[in-house]
Amino acid sequence: GENVEQHPSTLSVQEGDSAVIKCTYSDSASNYFPWYKQELGKRPQLIIDIRSNVGEKKDQRIAVTLNKTAKHFSLHITETQPEDSAVYFCAARVNYGGSQGNLIFGKGTKLSVKP
Amino acid sequence: DAGVTQSPTHLIKTRGQQVTLRCSPKSGHDTVSWYQQALGQGPQFIFQYYEEEERQRGNFPDRFSGHQFPNYSSELNVNALLLGDSALYLCASSLETAGANVLTFGAGSRLTVL
Repeated sequence: GENVEQHPSTLSVQEGDSAVIKCTYSDSASNYFPWYKQELGKRPQLIIDIRSNVGEKKDQRIAVTLNKTAKHFSLHITETQPEDSAVYFCAARVNYGGSQGNLIFGKGTKLSVKP
Repeated sequence: DAGVTQSPTHLIKTRGQQVTLRCSPKSGHDTVSWYQQALGQGPQFIFQYYEEEERQRGNFPDRFSGHQFPNYSSELNVNALLLGDSALYLCASSLETAGANVLTFGAGSRLTVL
């Protein structure tokens, strides 16, 4: 089955710097890669996603890149702000026979942005 | 438009007891997935329900069971609770159409087993 590895487990940056979180996956059939942000005590919230037919996607200060050959994808946050502090999870999904597969999550990265 | 709602938000049980958690999906969604999130870990897939049937299952024992009702709401049942079942249980809903498979999560039910 699919396995998702996420690095680093913790990341501390100064406000205004960039942050990069990397994930690798094992199943080459995975075709959907979302990123979720989870603040303390709150639900995971989708911040950006990418499908396997796209190499990069950007939404304001957030971008995701996908390298299907190497089976890795990354989250890039530019101009970080204290409110970006949270735990970020990557995930991968394989769709089976047109039906939605389940999401396999990484273990998370705790991002701290220091003012 | 209500998002995914879960109940109860918190509960405490003792070992050996049984628990039922409930989930109402986001309006317009027809698929419900359940995840277990242990402290400091990523969510782990338990199972997914679509058209009132369990469609996929993760690596969880038979003590974990579920149900989906005609209105798409769902229940997660855990029997013979163990200390290790203490976790945040997240329900996520989605729509089963091609390309529209974004998961929306509820706030979760925090289960503590003593």
